[in-house]
Amino acid sequence: DGGITQSPKYLFRKEGQNVTLSCEQNLNHDAMYWYRQDPGQGLRLIYYSQIVNDFQKGDIAEGYSVSREKKESFPLTVTSAQKNPTAFYLCASSPSSMGADTQYFGPGTRLTVL
Amino acid sequence: AQSVTQPDIHITVSEGASLELRCNYSYGATPYLFWYVQSPGQGLQLLLKYFSGDTLVQGIKGFEAEFKRSQSSFNLRKPSVHWSDAAEYFCAVAKYNNNDMRFGAGTRLTVKP
Repeated sequence: DGGITQSPKYLFRKEGQNVTLSCEQNLNHDAMYWYRQDPGQGLRLIYYSQIVNDFQKGDIAEGYSVSREKKESFPLTVTSAQKNPTAFYLCASSPSSMGADTQYFGPGTRLTVL
Repeated sequence: AQSVTQPDIHITVSEGASLELRCNYSYGATPYLFWYVQSPGQGLQLLLKYFSGDTLVQGIKGFEAEFKRSQSSFNLRKPSVHWSDAAEYFCAVAKYNNNDMRFGAGTRLTVKP
């Protein structure tokens, strides 16, 4: 079954700790994305990657970091510099890195800072 | 940059009634437009998309949407709503030449029995 997996589904973090959210896809898609979702605000882009070993900041990259060492993996680290990290995080991928294309979403990870 | 407005935060309809969810976009050129649906605590699922051609597009689960350039709109419709359609719906717009997709704030749909 092809798709996007995110783990864990729920994550709890103490203030001051870094935490890494996993995103894996077996769709052979070139591009991958991380979004943050807060109630009433829709989705906001954190980072995206169009190709292995390359990524760009989105609108709200401060306090986050990513890597793209493999085509199928795009982990997101929420650092202690992120002031308000409690949110629902969605990973997505799209087939093409050139031009607009449909984005396919994972099931999400809910992060709560205690 | 492109942007999307969904004027209705929350809509309630009776089961079997028709539905229209509004979406207005701001973008200077021909946009690529999408509607996604999200069940509570889940990811987003694509309902339909418009890239070019026929301005009335059909999607999954009996949904359709119409692109109206003159009104900068891409409203989602369904003739008869089912209780399982209760969810949050997001409209999104992207430029033709990159992957920068912008989402509206969403419309939450409640279906009354």
